[in-house]
Amino acid sequence: KQEVTQIPAALSVPEGENLVLNCSFTDSAIYNLQWFRQDPGKGLTSLLLIQSSQREQTSGRLNASLDKSSGRSTLYIAASQPGDSATYLCAVKVGKNSGGSNYKLTFGKGTLLTVNP
Amino acid sequence: GAVVSQHPSRVICKSGTSVKIECRSLDFQATTMFWYRQFPKQSLMLMATSNEGSKATYEQGVEKDKFLINHASLTLSTLTVTSAHPEDSSFYICARDSPTDTQYFGPGTRLTVL
Repeated sequence: KQEVTQIPAALSVPEGENLVLNCSFTDSAIYNLQWFRQDPGKGLTSLLLIQSSQREQTSGRLNASLDKSSGRSTLYIAASQPGDSATYLCAVKVGKNSGGSNYKLTFGKGTLLTVNP
Repeated sequence: GAVVSQHPSRVICKSGTSVKIECRSLDFQATTMFWYRQFPKQSLMLMATSNEGSKATYEQGVEKDKFLINHASLTLSTLTVTSAHPEDSSFYICARDSPTDTQYFGPGTRLTVL
């Protein structure tokens, strides 16, 4: 059974700092890995998607890496801003779900990031 | 802009009543949509996969008679929580796929059962 763990559970940093969020997964047989952002009481916004054949993806101040063999991914946020404060979730796309359909996303519990002005 | 909408955003109901949540794909005809549930400080858990024109497929431990899913068109999937109880209080989120593999999520529905 695929399990996704995110460390740390919460992180508080001063504005301007660079930071790294970690995600690990137990089964390396994944199709892809996605990083999402969730604001309180809201849905999820996709930040970056890394296919299993890729090593990293970048979007603006965000960079995500994937080491599939070791079951790890990191999300690097450069020059953090108060507006980056949110919960960051990683999810891996794995094989068939238990209903027999195509696949499922398995999520970690997230890292609650607070960027202080 | 949003590509997946949900209605209502919040609902409070009495124990024993049924609640219907709508999920719409605004820009894409989705043959498959996904329903998740999120408890406070917990991961999102996939409840079921909604398939247009056929029966939904449910994850282990999810009661299909309690959580009725109807995917009547390529842009609309509904989740009905039947005979809701306080333990069903949660945040329900739907999602759809895209050709780029990115999964797009709705804004969620906060259900509170008194």
